[in-house]
Amino acid sequence: QKEVEQNSGPLSVPEGAIASLNCTYSDRGSQSFFWYRQYSGKSPELIMSIYSNGDKEDGRFTAQLNKASQYVSLLIRDSQPSDSATYLCAVLNQAGTALIFGKGTTLSVSS
Amino acid sequence: DTGVSQDPRHKITKRGQNVTFRCDPISEHNRLYWYRQTLGQGPEFLTYFQNEAQLEKSRLLSDRFSAERPKGSFSTLEIQRTEQGDSAMYLCASSAVTDTQYFGPGTRLTVL
Repeated sequence: QKEVEQNSGPLSVPEGAIASLNCTYSDRGSQSFFWYRQYSGKSPELIMSIYSNGDKEDGRFTAQLNKASQYVSLLIRDSQPSDSATYLCAVLNQAGTALIFGKGTTLSVSS
Repeated sequence: DTGVSQDPRHKITKRGQNVTFRCDPISEHNRLYWYRQTLGQGPEFLTYFQNEAQLEKSRLLSDRFSAERPKGSFSTLEIQRTEQGDSAMYLCASSAVTDTQYFGPGTRLTVL
């Protein structure tokens, strides 16, 4: 059974701080990784995708991938109260037919 | 540019009734996916279409569930003889040649 693990949180950070979200996955053959943000009662919204080892930056967001350690992370710089949401880590299965999601980490940014 | 749309957004039904949900993908996307999400969990994969062909189904998709995508455009997901355990958010996603999936707003099903 392929798995994606995340700490459920809640992760609480003050406004302006860096939030660090982590994810591990079990399928060593996975090649495509995604972070989605989900507000309460809403559907997942894509934040970033990452395919290669290293860092990928997009505005205040940086995704990091380490395939040897089977580890993906998301850093949110200058956190804002509007960033308060559940962050879902997703890994594409090797067949490319389905995303496997973690349970999500709830982030709370206090002003 | 319109995103993925789903209809209805909310559905309340009684146990034993049949329900059908519709998903309209982003127009140029040939791949379509259904997921189910319950409270406190991440979305769980149900089924995948490439054009009109249903290429993969999860073990979660019992024989009470059926999905179609006629002509490779919109898709429907039908649940027959609903049970209280079917209460969840049903999410549709679509993607193009790349594997990035974009989700619709979901249909929240409540089975009484």
